[in-house]
Formats: sequence, structure tokens, C-alpha cells
Amino acid sequence: EIVLTQSPGTLSLSPGERATLSCKASQSVNSNYLAWYQQKPGQAPRFLIFHASYRTTGIPDRFSGSGSGTDFTLTISRLEPEDFAVYYCQQYGDSPPTFGGGTKVEFK
Amino acid sequence: QVQVVQSGAEVKKPGASVKVSCKVSGYTLNELSIHWVRQSPGKGLEWILTFDPADDETIYAQNFQGRVTRTDDTSTDTAYMELSGLRSDDSAIYYCATGYSGDYYLRFDFWGQGTRVTVSS
Repeated sequence: EIVLTQSPGTLSLSPGERATLSCKASQSVNSNYLAWYQQKPGQAPRFLIFHASYRTTGIPDRFSGSGSGTDFTLTISRLEPEDFAVYYCQQYGDSPPTFGGGTKVEFK
Repeated sequence: QVQVVQSGAEVKKPGASVKVSCKVSGYTLNELSIHWVRQSPGKGLEWILTFDPADDETIYAQNFQGRVTRTDDTSTDTAYMELSGLRSDDSAIYYCATGYSGDYYLRFDFWGQGTRVTVSS
């Protein structure tokens, strides 16, 4: 199965700053089928990005995804207070689908 | 938009079974793929199974095959996941998630609120 490694584990930033989150796959992700999710405490994950770079309905354009092959990035251009959360990447190009361990974006 | 509502928390003894329900609205169950995912502090997010009515096929994660059963009631748009032979490391939050039938993407567009299952003697 494909192992996804997210870094850093924790990102300490202030509102208005740019967040750059990395997700590296142990092998190439077929068709760049890579998704990103946001999870806040006590809530289910929320689907943000699919096919590595496409925002799903209702996701603000400050969220952007990029990358291909084994290296993917989620960028939040200017952090809003509601963006402080844990972010997970997930590949769905191969079965079983697998998740990264998450990056926590916390208040500095 | 799809809404997903799951059943409440469960406490089970080792060796028992648990059955979690997942009621969808906004779309019918026949229009959606149903996925089950769990989350625990030790193992993070783990995919359990996916069912797509477009081909009437269920695929399972190897770790759960033989121990998990999927059923549904299309008259109430409710899906069920039953896990048997519970162990302490099955303690987790179990999520039902959906996608659109026929997409065949193993990704999770809409999530239920989660059902906490605690396995303890």
C-alpha cells in the first residue's frame, strides 16, 4: 500500500500568514488522485481538494493544492481564524486508499 | 448536498459485535457510494470498506475482511456496518462517508458525524 508522509507535524502560524503543507507518497499516485481534508476538534474530516488541485464546492480560493507523482502541497494563502485545524492528505489512485498522519496548523 | 447522520456511541465487550447505522439524505442511497473509515489515536485514519451500487460490489481493507459486514435499507436510505470479534484496538471513531455512485473514486466527499465505539471489559 502507498504510505503518505506529511510534514511538518505541526505548523505554528498567525492569522494572515501563508501555510504550506507537504504530503509525500512512497510511490507515484496514479492519475494524481490525491485529496486533502480539514479536521477540527470533535468534528469529522471535511473534504477540501480532489485530483491534487481541484477545490470542491464551497471551499474558499485561499486553499490551493498542487503537485504530482509523489510530492503534493496544500497551500493556504492567508490564514483565517477558522483555518486552524489538522489537515490530512489521502490517495485514492490505488486500493487500499490511505491517509497521511496529518499536519496540525496551530496559532503561533 | 448530501447529509449523513450516524447512530450514537457504543460500548462493547471484547469479542462482541457492533452495528453502526448511517442515514443519508439529499440523495438516495442508490445514488451514492458508501465508505466506512475509522480514526483512532494509534492508527490514524483507516479505510474499512467501500460499496458502490453502480456495480453492486463491496471492497474491503485486508485487515477487516471476514470481520466486517455491510448491509443497507434502501427504503429508509440507511446503510449499516457491523464489525464482529471486537478487540480493544477496535476502539475508535467510525465514520460513514459518501461519494457519488459510479464515480469509482475511493475518496470521501461527505462525512457523517462519527460514532465512537469503545471496546472494554
